[in-house]
Amino acid sequence: GQNIDQPTEMTATEGAIVQINCTYQTSGFNGLFWYQQHAGEAPTFLSYNVLDGLEEKGRFSSFLSRSKGYSYLLLKELQMKDSASYLCAPVNQAGTALIFGKGTTLSVSS
Amino acid sequence: EAQVTQNPRYLITVTGKKLTVTCSQNMNHEYMSWYRQDPGLGLRQIYYSMNVEVTDKGDVPEGYKVSRKEKRNFPLILESPSPNQTSLYFCASSLSRGEKLFFGSGTQLSVL
Repeated sequence: GQNIDQPTEMTATEGAIVQINCTYQTSGFNGLFWYQQHAGEAPTFLSYNVLDGLEEKGRFSSFLSRSKGYSYLLLKELQMKDSASYLCAPVNQAGTALIFGKGTTLSVSS
Repeated sequence: EAQVTQNPRYLITVTGKKLTVTCSQNMNHEYMSWYRQDPGLGLRQIYYSMNVEVTDKGDVPEGYKVSRKEKRNFPLILESPSPNQTSLYFCASSLSRGEKLFFGSGTQLSVL
C-alpha cells in the first residue's frame, strides 16, 4: 500500500532555496509526480520522475531514489508567488491512480 | 484551449437532494478521475474511468456514482447527499492511466 510522508509546513524567505522531502512506501513503483496547489485552486503539474536522479526544470528540480522510496522537490530563488501547497503523488501499483500526500504548505516571506 | 471544465464552481444543497457535478475535457483523454479534498486528509480518489463505459472505484466511492457514456464527459452523481460529503471536488484527466493529470477548477460543495 501507499504511505506518503511529507512535512506539513515549511517557511522560507524570498531568494532562498528550499527542499521539500517526500517518502513513500509502495509495493510497485510506477513513477512519482509533484504538483503545486495555491489555496482554493486546482493542483498544477510541476514534475515527474520515474528513473533515479534529478530532473531540472527552471527554478524547480525534483529528485528520485527508488531504492530508498524517497523524492524531493527543490525550489530555487524563491518568490512570494511560490507560497502554496506542494503535493507528492506516487502512482499506485496498478497504475490506476495518483496517490496524493497531504501536502506541504510553503510560506515565503520577504 | 486544452482544459478540464467542471460545473458548478460552488454548490450549496440540502441532505437527500440528488445532484450532479459535470466534468468535461477537450483533450481526447482516455483516463478521467474524481477526487475529493478535505483539510488534513489531502486528495482522495473517488472513482476513475480508463475509457468509455469503463469505470471503477477509488479509495472513497461510498455515496457516489459516475458514468462514462462519452469520452469527454465524466459526471459525478450524489444520489442522496449527506453532510459528510461537504468537500472540495476535483475532476481530472490524463492521456492514459498513470500519466500527468490535468485538473478542473474544482467544485466546493456544501451539504446542509
